[in-house]
Amino acid sequence: DQQVKQNSPSLSVQEGRISILNCDYTNSMFDYFLWYKKYPAEGPTFLISISSIKDKNEDGRFTVFLNKSAKHLSLHIVPSQPGDSAVYFCAASSFGNEKLTFGTGTRLTIIP
Amino acid sequence: EPEVTQTPSHQVTQMGQEVILRCVPISNHLYFYWYRQILGQKVEFLVSFYNNEISEKSEIFDDQFSVERPDGSNFTLKIRSTKLEDSAMYFCASSPTRGATRGGYGYTFGSGTRLTVV
Repeated sequence: DQQVKQNSPSLSVQEGRISILNCDYTNSMFDYFLWYKKYPAEGPTFLISISSIKDKNEDGRFTVFLNKSAKHLSLHIVPSQPGDSAVYFCAASSFGNEKLTFGTGTRLTIIP
Repeated sequence: EPEVTQTPSHQVTQMGQEVILRCVPISNHLYFYWYRQILGQKVEFLVSFYNNEISEKSEIFDDQFSVERPDGSNFTLKIRSTKLEDSAMYFCASSPTRGATRGGYGYTFGSGTRLTVV
């Protein structure tokens, strides 16, 4: 039951270039989406979120895009820095629920 | 920056034994959560807890699991009789308000306890 899917388990990007991480969802009830970043031996750290009433949210180097009709969201990091190397999780929630449904994560490696 | 603290970082237990995983949420937070991640799989919701009671739980959270806030600071997850498939990283999280999954901040996770059942 993969309601949130991250189809790329890993991604390598040159430092300074744009990193694009993708996420797809199947549950139409999801209306809030979050990205978390996780370093080894640490818990997930909140990065950025977007409500379904928007199609874009930007915070510094991070931008999340939401395409509701395609049930697809993406996280853009530009420019990519070595410290961005981590596992990135897409997560979703629906109204009235306190829980997050996570994807399986994408391991991003920034090559110096 | 305030942190959610989990102890121990790694626990090894024999199948059938009871285990208690401990968490100290951020002090002014009122909502508490447990998630787990089996190796190579996604992070999965187990339970949310508010005002000394469970507010939501998943199918994973069966009778073998229980949560408690025994004092004003700790939040514990107990697994009564561990099975091999309980081996996972268990994450505690907390938030100051309801709806953290729907605001611009998510909730704060601890570093996790790696539980290995042998």
